[in-house]
Formats: sequence, structure tokens, C-alpha cells
Amino acid sequence: EAQVTQNPRYLITVTGKKLTVTCSQNMNHEYMSWYRQDPGLGLRQIYYSMNVEVTDKGDVPEGYKVSRKEKRNFPLILESPSPNQTSLYFCASRRSGGEDTQYFGPGTRLTVL
Amino acid sequence: QKEVEQDPGPLSVPEGAIVSLNCTYSNSAFQYFMWYRQYSRKGPELLMYTYSSGNKEDGRFTAQVDKSSKYISLFIRDSQPSDSATYLCAMSGPRDDKIIFGKGTRLHILP
Repeated sequence: EAQVTQNPRYLITVTGKKLTVTCSQNMNHEYMSWYRQDPGLGLRQIYYSMNVEVTDKGDVPEGYKVSRKEKRNFPLILESPSPNQTSLYFCASRRSGGEDTQYFGPGTRLTVL
Repeated sequence: QKEVEQDPGPLSVPEGAIVSLNCTYSNSAFQYFMWYRQYSRKGPELLMYTYSSGNKEDGRFTAQVDKSSKYISLFIRDSQPSDSATYLCAMSGPRDDKIIFGKGTRLHILP
């Protein structure tokens, strides 16, 4: 089954404690992306990657890091989380270029106290 | 002016009605236009994908793009309670890498 998985699905943490949200896809997609979704602000892209070792900033990259060492994985790293990073996070993947479905993961609800 | 504007709703319509959802945009470079549906506590799923102007139909769903007016629409015929969700429009430019989303419209179909 084609899917994007994220872990953890729910996380409560404290300010400054480094965390990583993992994302994995089994469709051999080149393009992967991280979004955050906040009430009234919609989906905003944090970072994206067009292939292994190729990453670029989206609209709201501050406070986040990513890496793309393997095609299937695209972890999101918060080195020093702050309360304003409390949000619902989605990972997504698709093939690059042309008409193709972008698959979203189930979401990770993060609360930073 | 925001790149993509979408009325957040909520929009409540009776079962069986035709639903019209719309977005406007400001960037004339956008060429790929999408509609996603998002159920509560779930990730968005792609409903319709359109390249450039014109109409595209898939079952009860029709997507329209009017690039001259920078306006896109999604029509849902014979709406069902299961169509109750948030609908997000999205678009991207010729490189088809960065996708810009509208904020979503919450739709309620009343039985």
C-alpha cells in the first residue's frame, strides 16, 4: 500500500528539548515536503526536498532543520523547540514534475510547553 | 494581497445541493491548480488536478480554472453528508516544486 508514515503522531514536550519527527514514504518519490497547519493560517510549507541531499526552505523555515540522506526518509528536526512551534505537522511526497498526486502523511500533533 | 485567497466558511448546504467552492490568486505564473479534501484529524488528499485553464470533471466533482480572472472553482454535484470536510485549493508555478495552499473552506452537508 502506497503511504507516507510519520512518527510520533502525538508529542508533548518542553521548550528547548530537541526532537525529531520522522517521515518515510514507500513510493520511491523524489519530492518530499514538510508543512505545518495552524488555525486561520492554513498549510504552510516549512522545507522541501527535490531529491537526496537536495533541500530548500519553504515559507516558514525558522527554527527547523531537515535532512535527506535517503530517498525514502525526510526527518524534521527542532533543535530547540518553542511554544510557537506548537502545531499540526504534515509530511508529503510525490514524484517531481507534471501531474501527479501528492500524498500526505497522517499528521503529527506537537505541543511545546 | 495574499497569493491565494479562500473563504474559510463554514459553508452549510442541504444534502443533494450543488456546492461551489472558490479561490482567487494573484500570481499569474501559477500553472498547476489542485483541490484537496481534508477530513478532521486526517491529512489532505488530492481530489482534482488541473493544468492551465479549462474544466476537468471526475464523477460528482468538477474543477474550473479561469486564468484570465485568476479564479478557480470546485463544484460538487448531488452533495452527500460524507462530503463534509475542509476543502483546500492549491497551486504551483511552472517548475511545479513549491505548492501554495489556500486556508481552506469548511463545508457541512446537512442530511
